[in-house]
Amino acid sequence: QLQLQESGPGLVKPSETLSLTCTVSGGSISSSSYYWGWIRQPPGKGLEWIGSIYYIGSTYYNPSLKSRVTISVDTSKNQFSLKMSSVTAADTAVYYCARRPLADCGGDCYQDAFDIWGQGTMVTVSS
Amino acid sequence: QSALTQPASVSGSPGQSITISCTGTSSDVGSYNLVSWYQQHPGKAPKLMIYEGTKRPSGVSNRFSGSRSGNTASLTISGLQAEDEADYYCCSYAGSGTWVFGGGTKLTVL
Repeated sequence: QLQLQESGPGLVKPSETLSLTCTVSGGSISSSSYYWGWIRQPPGKGLEWIGSIYYIGSTYYNPSLKSRVTISVDTSKNQFSLKMSSVTAADTAVYYCARRPLADCGGDCYQDAFDIWGQGTMVTVSS
Repeated sequence: QSALTQPASVSGSPGQSITISCTGTSSDVGSYNLVSWYQQHPGKAPKLMIYEGTKRPSGVSNRFSGSRSGNTASLTISGLQAEDEADYYCCSYAGSGTWVFGGGTKLTVL
């Protein structure tokens, strides 16, 4: 069973760079059938899509965050990562990584939706 | 890219049916049949309940159904049960590889 696990510092200072990693287990991140994404949820608020990456490195970002966000993939470690620069208190949130199957993903997947999620990791921006 | 619009809260009694709306624009919900719905219990990760507007993943109760008309998608839960009490989020493809979520709806089972 495929699982995703977020990891990274739980506390980041304002103006610094937030860095998180999502480790994929039970399957290969190099599959051509999936995009891998980051989604966040500020305390008591709704979900916000941050961006997605394909195993060859193709990326898409939320236009409102694009100038501060970089998503990268390391297929040798079966991981993908999020970097967000110049963080403020408004970036305090639970950060989730998730899988998004493509239309031809085959069985045991649900295309064009975020079908498997990590448990989430809380990141607080504070001095 | 603006968040999709959902009612902040809905409620219903056990056994009743409720519908949660998700209103977007002609650039997202209205253009693509790629709306998904997620259930989130407190402190838990979201769980996929509906994909491609109307399809249910394996293991999701058939009490959950989705539909779309124009720029508005809807999630209907029939035969409400106490365990359905949760937050629900819609999500739509918005073109150019981007995705947008709704603000979320808190479902209370009375």
